[in-house]
Amino acid sequence: KAGVTQTPRYLIKTRGQQVTLSCSPISGHRSVSWYQQTPGQGLQFLFEYFSETQRNKGNFPGRFSGRQFSNSRSEMNVSTLELGDSALYLCASSLVSGGGGNNEQFFGPGTRLTVL
Amino acid sequence: AQTVTQSQPEMSVQEAETVTLSCTYDTSESDYYLFWYKQPPSRQMILVIRQEAYKQQNATENRFSVNFQKAAKSFSLKISDSQLGDAAMYFCAYRSRGGADGLTFGKGTHLIIQP
Repeated sequence: KAGVTQTPRYLIKTRGQQVTLSCSPISGHRSVSWYQQTPGQGLQFLFEYFSETQRNKGNFPGRFSGRQFSNSRSEMNVSTLELGDSALYLCASSLVSGGGGNNEQFFGPGTRLTVL
Repeated sequence: AQTVTQSQPEMSVQEAETVTLSCTYDTSESDYYLFWYKQPPSRQMILVIRQEAYKQQNATENRFSVNFQKAAKSFSLKISDSQLGDAAMYFCAYRSRGGADGLTFGKGTHLIIQP
């Protein structure tokens, strides 16, 4: 079974631009979560989607948004990019939403976003 | 809000020896899950071990085991017979049963294995 895939793997943008990142979950998984990883702030939860609905959201500004499609694939969008948005963006998929013990999150390789 | 603290930014251990990584957390909830994730350099994060808070028995997975002290809110990871492939960043993480805030991670511990 294929793992979580994320595209693109690397991205360079300039301030003020917008960007869209994509995540394909493991087949059969219906929940997709997004995390931002930076050296300063570490790993921070952005949001979770389940059955095309945003279930949970972390403490990020409205410039960060996402969506999920009927095939469970998810996209994350960041508008009006700032230098501080440079980070590794990780996607994780799981069977269902929530923190159940057997609901393991499987992570993708991440998209490295650099904002110049 | 929950917090997870890893007080050791970096640890070093000789190959074949045992190392313990520390993690403490703070929560007002009684039902939650704790995890250790491993992130090798330039590779995907993988789950090493998980612990359910309502289970008193410490989880073990081959060479990996935890010491879960619920009252002290402590969750340490012991790696026995360390191998070169264990070199990575290790993150302690928390998630409530409802999972409303996703995973809350510590800052990580960089584990170095000395051959």
